[in-house]
Amino acid sequence: DSGVTQTPKHLITATGQRVTLRCSPRSGDLSVYWYQQSLDQGLQFLIQYYNGEERAKGNILERFSAQQFPDLHSELNLSSLELGDSALYFCASSVASGLSYEQYFGPGTRLTVT
Amino acid sequence: AQKITQTQPGMFVQEKEAVTLDCTYDTSDQSYGLFWYKQPSSGEMIFLIYQGSYDEQNATEGRYSLNFQKARKSANLVISASQLGDSAMYFCAMREAYSGGGADGLTFGKGTHLIIQP
Repeated sequence: DSGVTQTPKHLITATGQRVTLRCSPRSGDLSVYWYQQSLDQGLQFLIQYYNGEERAKGNILERFSAQQFPDLHSELNLSSLELGDSALYFCASSVASGLSYEQYFGPGTRLTVT
Repeated sequence: AQKITQTQPGMFVQEKEAVTLDCTYDTSDQSYGLFWYKQPSSGEMIFLIYQGSYDEQNATEGRYSLNFQKARKSANLVISASQLGDSAMYFCAMREAYSGGGADGLTFGKGTHLIIQP
């Protein structure tokens, strides 16, 4: 158990809908990352937050957004969902932002768009 | 060009043998970090080992070691005395100090599916 929690574990929704994925980082970790794992794209970094502020964006679509709250939990919002958004979405956390800090991953949320 | 290349899509290894999983990377940064993660069939991503570009010694964590050859830009994972529970996908990943645009997000390879046979 990495100490990172994600809810829900599974989510099934229809095209065009909007969903919110939630992540609680490990106790004491300030940095939160979101990743998408799909069969065709592999594991891709989406976005990073550090202590409540957006730190960097990766391959995140404009339909997707995220935020980190004062208690450091984070939410990833996916809107106007398409079939291709079906994937495993991971949240990871690290104690700080920097090159050597390992990221600990949550169990993931499996999103299925029908 | 691929930043992380894992050339072995799948590997079969006998239990108790040592196994080497290949990873080559491409970066123009002098400062970067290399990571290996394990993903069992249950889906979670488990951190295994880290190597910094300035680390002179190869990283080791229990049965895992990282064979870091900087000039060749390779960071192979070595698992000694493999066990049935080592069967999983293994991902090599990199974090760059500058080329990542300030992001600490990891760039992953496509993974190697390792199967340990009894």
